[in-house]
Amino acid sequence: AQSVTQLGSHVSVSEGALVLLRCNYSSSVPPYLFWYVQYPNQGLQLLLKYTTGATLVKGINGFEAEFKKSETSFHLTKPSAHMSDAAEYFCAVRGNYGQNFVFGPGTRLSVLP
Amino acid sequence: EPEVTQTPSHQVTQMGQEVILRCVPISNHLYFYWYRQILGQKVEFLVSFYNNEISEKSEIFDDQFSVERPDGSNFTLKIRSTKLEDSAMYFCATGQGANEQFFGPGTRLTVL
Repeated sequence: AQSVTQLGSHVSVSEGALVLLRCNYSSSVPPYLFWYVQYPNQGLQLLLKYTTGATLVKGINGFEAEFKKSETSFHLTKPSAHMSDAAEYFCAVRGNYGQNFVFGPGTRLSVLP
Repeated sequence: EPEVTQTPSHQVTQMGQEVILRCVPISNHLYFYWYRQILGQKVEFLVSFYNNEISEKSEIFDDQFSVERPDGSNFTLKIRSTKLEDSAMYFCATGQGANEQFFGPGTRLTVL
């Protein structure tokens, strides 16, 4: 069974600072990994995903994430935070059999002026 | 850009009543999912649907829940007899393949 942990339920950064949101997973099979963003009162929007191939994945809005098998991690980064990045971020994992995604508890990102 | 839509955006119901939540998937998508998110908690998988049948379901998806795609377009989630603890945001997601899921904006269900 898969599971996802996200260290830090709330992360605050200053505008222009590096954003680092942590995600660790457990999976008995090679995982597919995803980051979603949820703005207030909205649904989940896919930021990026890793399925196979290059371990550094680039997504929308300047975000990227690196799959590190040895660390079972898929941390999300952005070099320079914008005010518009303030939202809830969810990491999700899916095994390569079965179809449902398992979501982490989420990290709320606040961006301070 | 095509998107998943859900209706209603907010549903208020009395405990014990039946509710039907509707989702219109992106056309040519073949995989359909329902998730729920209780206020302040994480997103939880309910059920996946492919080729006109349930392919996976979680422990949450008990006999009170059912899904169908009655007309080949809408994908519905029915809760037969709602309980207070069913109050949550319900998200539909669809995908062309099994490795992608595009989420709708959600339906907020409030059970009184």
